[in-house]
Amino acid sequence: DGGITQSPKYLFRKEGQNVTLSCEQNLNHDAMYWYRQDPGQGLRLIYYSQIVNDFQKGDIAEGYSVSREKKESFPLTVTSAQKNPTAFYLCASSRLGETQYFGPGTRLLVL
Amino acid sequence: AQTVTQSQPEMSVQEAETVTLSCTYDTSESDYYLFWYKQPPSRQMILVIRQEAYKQQNATENRFSVNFQKAAKSFSLKISDSQLGDAAMYFCAYTYRGGNNDMRFGAGTRLTVKP
Repeated sequence: DGGITQSPKYLFRKEGQNVTLSCEQNLNHDAMYWYRQDPGQGLRLIYYSQIVNDFQKGDIAEGYSVSREKKESFPLTVTSAQKNPTAFYLCASSRLGETQYFGPGTRLLVL
Repeated sequence: AQTVTQSQPEMSVQEAETVTLSCTYDTSESDYYLFWYKQPPSRQMILVIRQEAYKQQNATENRFSVNFQKAAKSFSLKISDSQLGDAAMYFCAYTYRGGNNDMRFGAGTRLTVKP
């Protein structure tokens, strides 16, 4: 099946801990994106990447980091510097300049 | 900066009736895409419909159609013959074709379908 997968579905973070959210796609898309969704709000862009080994900050990159070592994978690390990480995180991918398609999301909760 | 506004936080419709969700956007660009995404309780974002700004013809996908008014910067979604499965959050989104393809989203409209 072609698509975008995200894991885990739920993730719990302890104080001061870094956690990593996985995003994988087998659609052969060049571009990948990470969004954050807070209750009752739309999506806000954290990071995006249009090519392997290159990525750009979005509107709310502080406290997050990413890597793009493979075309298929774009993991997001929520660092201890992110003071309010509780949210729903969505990964998307697209051909360059084309429609974005989304994964099922990861719900991050702070213990 | 581009912004997207959805002025209706909540809407409701009777099953089999028609409902229209509103969206306005602000941009100085002329070549862009507009989208409607649906987010059901599973929270998966599902593409409903896409409009290319250079096309004057309004996009349609089965029971879903848009009214794209470029001069007014308005992009409404019409759902005909509403079904219980249409109940969801609906997000309007904008992306500039010549940029980095980062999308701007509205705050969403929660649609309830009454049986």
